[in-house]
Amino acid sequence: DVVMTQSPLSLPVTLGQPASISCRSSLSLLFRDGNTFLSWFHQRPGQSPRRLIYQVSIRDSGVPDRFSGSGSGTDFTLKISRVEADDVGVYYCMQGTHWPATFGGGTKVEIK
Amino acid sequence: EVQLLESGGGLIQPGGSLRLSCAASGFTFSSHAMLWVRQAPGEGLEFVSSINPGGTETSYAESVKGRFTISRDNSRDTFFLQMNSLRADDTAVYFCAKDPNWQGDYWGRGTLVTVSS
Repeated sequence: DVVMTQSPLSLPVTLGQPASISCRSSLSLLFRDGNTFLSWFHQRPGQSPRRLIYQVSIRDSGVPDRFSGSGSGTDFTLKISRVEADDVGVYYCMQGTHWPATFGGGTKVEIK
Repeated sequence: EVQLLESGGGLIQPGGSLRLSCAASGFTFSSHAMLWVRQAPGEGLEFVSSINPGGTETSYAESVKGRFTISRDNSRDTFFLQMNSLRADDTAVYFCAKDPNWQGDYWGRGTLVTVSS
């Protein structure tokens, strides 16, 4: 199975400042049809995950443009341009190119 | 409004079986692959199983292969997870979700499965 490695595990951030989370896969996530199936999710305690980004960089409906995704092959990044209080929680990357799908271990974002 | 509603969770003894259901509404269920994802207490998200739109292709995490079976009934907009030979480390909240590779992010609220004697 493809291993997804996220860093950092914990990310203390200052309100209004940028934040960045890295996700690396053990295999290229480029599918034979040209798509790259890498998604980012945000989860608050006691809630279901909410997807923010799919196919590396496409924002889901209702997701603020403060969130952006980038990368290719095996290296991907989620960036928050200006962190707000509502952004706290755990962020996960997930690959859906090679089945079974796999998640990263998560990055906990908290306010300093 | 899109809804995914899980049911079937509960307390079960080790070695026992449970069948989870996920009822979908508000979207064209038969056109989408569907997933089960679980989260053990205090842990991260773990992919469990997936099934393609026609129900002919399935995928399983190594940790559940041979014990869990995913299926779907497109006539009822519902899919299932049959869980056999349950172990303590299967204890988790089980979420059903639509294939996250494409437009539309749909998740259920989760159902708790507790495996304990």
